[in-house]
Amino acid sequence: EDQVTQSPEALRLQEGESSSLNCSYTVSGLRGLFWYRQDPGKGPEFLFTLYSAGEEKEKERLKATLTKKESFLHITAPKPEDSATYLCAVQARNDYKLSFGAGTTVTVRA
Amino acid sequence: DVKVTQSSRYLVKRTGEKVFLECVQDMDHENMFWYRQDPGLGLRLIYFSYDVKMKEKGDIPEGYSVSREKKERFSLILESASTNQTSMYLCASRQADEKLFFGSGTQLSVL
Repeated sequence: EDQVTQSPEALRLQEGESSSLNCSYTVSGLRGLFWYRQDPGKGPEFLFTLYSAGEEKEKERLKATLTKKESFLHITAPKPEDSATYLCAVQARNDYKLSFGAGTTVTVRA
Repeated sequence: DVKVTQSSRYLVKRTGEKVFLECVQDMDHENMFWYRQDPGLGLRLIYFSYDVKMKEKGDIPEGYSVSREKKERFSLILESASTNQTSMYLCASRQADEKLFFGSGTQLSVL
């Protein structure tokens, strides 16, 4: 069974204080690893898909990286508008579904 | 802009009621999904559908059923609502293995 574990559960940052979120996974053959952002009371919004170890993707202050066992979401010089819950999900080969972690809630104080 | 629309933002139902949650997507996607989201547990898959009239159970299908009579519409049915089905319900769609698009969610309270 696919497993996704995110850490920490919650992260409080000062504006400008860079940090990283971790997503550890076990899957029987990775088709893709997905990162989503979710604001309170809303559905998750897509950020990145990573397919193979060594791959990196960037968007504004966010950078996602992938190894064979984990993925990191790096937040560089965060702003208050980066406050959200960040979700990680994996999809195995020959499977339709995504398995999600419980998320990391990031709060950025001005 | 692509859109996944869930019919209700908030619902309050009584124990034992039959509950319908509706979801419509305008992207002609093949695959549609129903998840529930609970604090500390993340998103858990209830059912998904890969074509009209086709469905497969997810990780927690007990107490739920689904219907997909048209490609754009995927309904989640709680046959007899119970208090442990109080949750945020999220519908999503995707084309093949591309990214999931989510609706805004329905917060269901069963009293």
